[in-house]
Amino acid sequence: GENVEQHPSTLSVQEGDSAVIKCTYSDSASNYFPWYKQELGKGPQLIIDIRSNVGEKKDQRIAVTLNKTAKHFSLHITETQPEDSAVYFCAASFSGAGSYQLTFGKGTKLSVIP
Amino acid sequence: DTGVSQDPRHKITKRGQNVTFRCDPISEHNRLYWYRQTLGQGPEFLTYFQNEAQLEKSRLLSDRFSAERPKGSFSTLEIQRTEQGDSAMYLCASSLLVGYEKLFFGSGTQLSVL
Repeated sequence: GENVEQHPSTLSVQEGDSAVIKCTYSDSASNYFPWYKQELGKGPQLIIDIRSNVGEKKDQRIAVTLNKTAKHFSLHITETQPEDSAVYFCAASFSGAGSYQLTFGKGTKLSVIP
Repeated sequence: DTGVSQDPRHKITKRGQNVTFRCDPISEHNRLYWYRQTLGQGPEFLTYFQNEAQLEKSRLLSDRFSAERPKGSFSTLEIQRTEQGDSAMYLCASSLLVGYEKLFFGSGTQLSVL
């Protein structure tokens, strides 16, 4: 089955700096890569996703890049703000052939220091 | 905004008791998922429904776990003869049957087995 590794497990940045979180996946058939943000006491919230036919996607201060050859994908947050502090999860799945389960990484706790 | 709703938010039970959780998905979503999340880990897939049909179950879902979605709307997850290892956050998510899976999660039910 799919295995997703996520690094780092914790990340502290100064307000206004950039944050980068990296993930690798094992199953070359995976074709969908979402990122979720989870705040304390809440469920994961989808913040951005990318499909395997796209190399990069951007939405305001967040961007995701995908390297299918290396089986890497990364989340980039620019101009970080205190409200970006949360746990971020990457995930991978193969959407097709009736299987739709997401495999998540272990998460990165991001702290933005004012 | 009628997001994914889960009830109860917290459940404390004694080992050996049965517990049942409820999930109400976003109204137009025909897919519903159950995930389990333990401290410091990403969510792990348990099972998913398309309308009322349970189409996939994880090996994590032992015989003590049963899920239903009787009319293709809300779902229940029952755990029989709870064990301390069942202590976790149980997350429900829903999505539309349209291509790639954008999952929207509820806030979860935190189960503590004493």
